[in-house]
Amino acid sequence: DADVTQTPRNRITKTGKRIMLECSQTKGHDRMYWYRQDPGLGLRLIYYSFDVKDINKGEISDGYSVSRQAQAKFSLSLESAIPNQTALYFCATSERGETQYFGPGTRLLVL
Amino acid sequence: GESVGLHLPTLSVQEGDNSIINCAYSNSASDYFIWYKQESGKGPQFIIDIRSNMDKRQGQRVTVLLNKTVKHLSLQIAATQPGDSAVYFCAENKRGDSSYKLIFGSGTRLLVRP
Repeated sequence: DADVTQTPRNRITKTGKRIMLECSQTKGHDRMYWYRQDPGLGLRLIYYSFDVKDINKGEISDGYSVSRQAQAKFSLSLESAIPNQTALYFCATSERGETQYFGPGTRLLVL
Repeated sequence: GESVGLHLPTLSVQEGDNSIINCAYSNSASDYFIWYKQESGKGPQFIIDIRSNMDKRQGQRVTVLLNKTVKHLSLQIAATQPGDSAVYFCAENKRGDSSYKLIFGSGTRLLVRP
């Protein structure tokens, strides 16, 4: 969905490096989410935010942190990347829960 | 535990035939379900949703059926086309903790044979 953008689209980094993935949306939604997708697995929720002052851990938050800089921006950080964080990362937005609209994803490779 | 799963990881159908993708869920408290389509290199795209007070909902060439008795959800695609080739995910809305977190299944890959 072009209303949800993610940068970068692809990233290669080394173990121990700090990286940040950015998400921006023009849908005007209050709620934003970060998911991780691994081969053979569904999307797993890392963090979610229901408004600028609200941050919540998802099912796999260890090793990740987030920042909700504004209603339209939600960034995901890996403070010290490790190889098993190699995955496809998706940002999503929604109005009052329920249907979520996804960005195009960021493919991350940690060497 | 509570989970959303799929019966078949890969489904191959002839172009023009109807496709049926199945999904089982285990949380009887879930009251909202969504089907997403994910094409290669793209994010999941919303297809259709259904609430637990309904048994059936139709969209353009797609129908979702919900059987709460056996906790089963299906997505039917009529006259399947090559552009329907993708991975399809079902997701459930798990109420509780005042949140609306979606729980996703692992996906079914649909392959359309010309």
